[in-house]
Amino acid sequence: QQQVKQSPQSLIVQKGGISIINCAYENTAFDYFPWYQQFPGKGPALLIAIRPDVSEKKEGRFTISFNKSAKQFSLHIMDSQPGDSATYFCAASLDYKLSFGAGTTVTVRA
Amino acid sequence: NAGVTQTPKFQVLKTGQSMTLQCAQDMNHNSMYWYRQDPGMGLRLIYYSASEGTTDKGEVPNGYNVSRLNKREFSLRLESAAPSQTSVYFCAGQGSYNEQFFGPGTRLTVL
Repeated sequence: QQQVKQSPQSLIVQKGGISIINCAYENTAFDYFPWYQQFPGKGPALLIAIRPDVSEKKEGRFTISFNKSAKQFSLHIMDSQPGDSATYFCAASLDYKLSFGAGTTVTVRA
Repeated sequence: NAGVTQTPKFQVLKTGQSMTLQCAQDMNHNSMYWYRQDPGMGLRLIYYSASEGTTDKGEVPNGYNVSRLNKREFSLRLESAAPSQTSVYFCAGQGSYNEQFFGPGTRLTVL
């Protein structure tokens, strides 16, 4: 059973719009929450990450929001661009081992 | 600086055949990992190695074995391949801040 639940499975957004991907977890011992971006035929690449003592982290157009009490975190992609079309995975780390969500395929329409 | 490299890129096996997937890193990572990726399931940890000379099971280890040959190399072996092992396999190394760096993957089909 998946320790990290991710939604939606896929989403389509217009160029310039906001993409939002949500993840939820149960194990409060997780201590690191990264997001990975994967293009077809490539390995996942780290996009942005947050630790549970921080509620928000922003890097360029990508923002993680973290709600420790709700055991939820989300990725916001602002001003979405066609080059952002990819599959995004959330993950949670415990003892340096990652548990991944099932992934969200984002399609940005020009 | 090639990062994490994997060989082969593609492989087709018949049921019962064996093979070894190779992974090497030049980023001086202590910890290395093997994952499999299947549609709708994200990435699942098969085995990991926290340091040279140690290995441990992940979430889905059945049907696999690993060897941490030295700090650079971490191989995954399928002794008797089954169709359920058709997947994309990724090797990763862990950096100083908990981040993992992934290789390009091996696409394996078992007929």
